[in-house]
Amino acid sequence: DIQMTQSPSSLSASVGDRVTITCRASHSITTYLNWYQQKPGKAPNLLIYAASSLQSGVPSRFSGSGSGTDFTLTISSLQPEDFATFYCQQSYSGYTFGQGTKLEIK
Amino acid sequence: EVQLVQSGGEVKKPGESLKISCKGSGYNFSNYWIGWVRQMPGKGLEWMGIIHPGGSQTRYSPSFQGQVIISADKSMSTAYLQWSSLKASDTAMYYCARRGPGDHGGSDYWGQGALVTVSS
Repeated sequence: DIQMTQSPSSLSASVGDRVTITCRASHSITTYLNWYQQKPGKAPNLLIYAASSLQSGVPSRFSGSGSGTDFTLTISSLQPEDFATFYCQQSYSGYTFGQGTKLEIK
Repeated sequence: EVQLVQSGGEVKKPGESLKISCKGSGYNFSNYWIGWVRQMPGKGLEWMGIIHPGGSQTRYSPSFQGQVIISADKSMSTAYLQWSSLKASDTAMYYCARRGPGDHGGSDYWGQGALVTVSS
């Protein structure tokens, strides 16, 4: 099984901040890496697929990078609606989610 | 408009069986894999398995193999997740999600979720 480890597990930030979340795979997954945002009581929403491709309708302040085992999700300037939990997911061999990163308002 | 609409929440007793559904519309249901994701109360997302409705190929996470059955009826544009004998630890929100197009496709459309509560 491929394990996915996100860091940090939680993060406090302010509106306007630049935020980076990291995801590490236990084996190389090339660019088979997706990022989701989940708000309380809602289904997850796809933000980034294939490590760096922005899903249609997602604001351009969200970006993804990385390949192999190390990946990042960056939010360039936090907006009030961005506070949520973020998950990475590998789709290289089956599918595995990271444990999540909760982004809270400072 | 692509939509996945799941069946409603369920309250069951341990040992009972259950089958929940996920109906797709607005696209060719047969052509896209549908996956199931568990989210236990206050916890993260867990991928359970996936099915291709067109050919009924199914793949399970090792953690869920033998614990649930995933099926689909392409004529009804509906995927299913079922248990033969529920346990209290099956209490969770269950989401279905469409695997998007392309080789790297993430899950681009999700159902609204179905809360399953198992309690004596």
